[in-house]
Amino acid sequence: ELKVEQNPLFLSMQEGKNYTIYCNYSTTSDRLYWYRQDPGKSLESLFVLLSNGAVKQEGRLMASLDTKARLSTLHITAAVHDLSATYFCAVGNQGGKLIFGQGTELSVKP
Amino acid sequence: DSGVTQTPKHLITATGQRVTLRCSPRSGDLSVYWYQQSLDQGLQFLIHYYNGEERAKGNILERFSAQQFPDLHSELNLSSLELGDSALYFCASSVEGWGPIQYFGAGTRLSVL
Repeated sequence: ELKVEQNPLFLSMQEGKNYTIYCNYSTTSDRLYWYRQDPGKSLESLFVLLSNGAVKQEGRLMASLDTKARLSTLHITAAVHDLSATYFCAVGNQGGKLIFGQGTELSVKP
Repeated sequence: DSGVTQTPKHLITATGQRVTLRCSPRSGDLSVYWYQQSLDQGLQFLIHYYNGEERAKGNILERFSAQQFPDLHSELNLSSLELGDSALYFCASSVEGWGPIQYFGAGTRLSVL
């Protein structure tokens, strides 16, 4: 059974600092997604990574995928308050379903 | 706005009742997915329909069923409701293909009292 684990689950950062969220998964997959969820809101797609070594960047967020290590990272550069949210990674599986990690609740404080 | 429409936004009902959640996918998307989000289980895949046919099933209870209609909208039916069914139910849609982005609707918050 495919399992997806994120760490840390809670992250309190100061504005301007850098940090990385890790996403490990248990079986082979080359479809990895990152989503953002604000409290009480829907999920917003951030990145789709479809091959080993894929790297994508949008603003202060950069995601990468290492399929051999079964690891994806979401790197946050010079965090700002607007990045406070819960971040989910998800692995694409047979039939198109997504298996989600537990989510990382990020809080950026001034 | 993702383009995926879910109704109703909130639903309050009693144990033992039956409810129907509705989802309209983005224009042109043939795939519809249903997910359940709860504090104890996290985000869990329930079921995937493609152009009216069931494609994949997750940990969906036998009390739950879904269908996708010819106009591509989908309905998730939840029956014999229990307190533990209280959750946020999301619908997502995507185009066909390898690694498509799934666009999520705003969700239906179900409270079973």
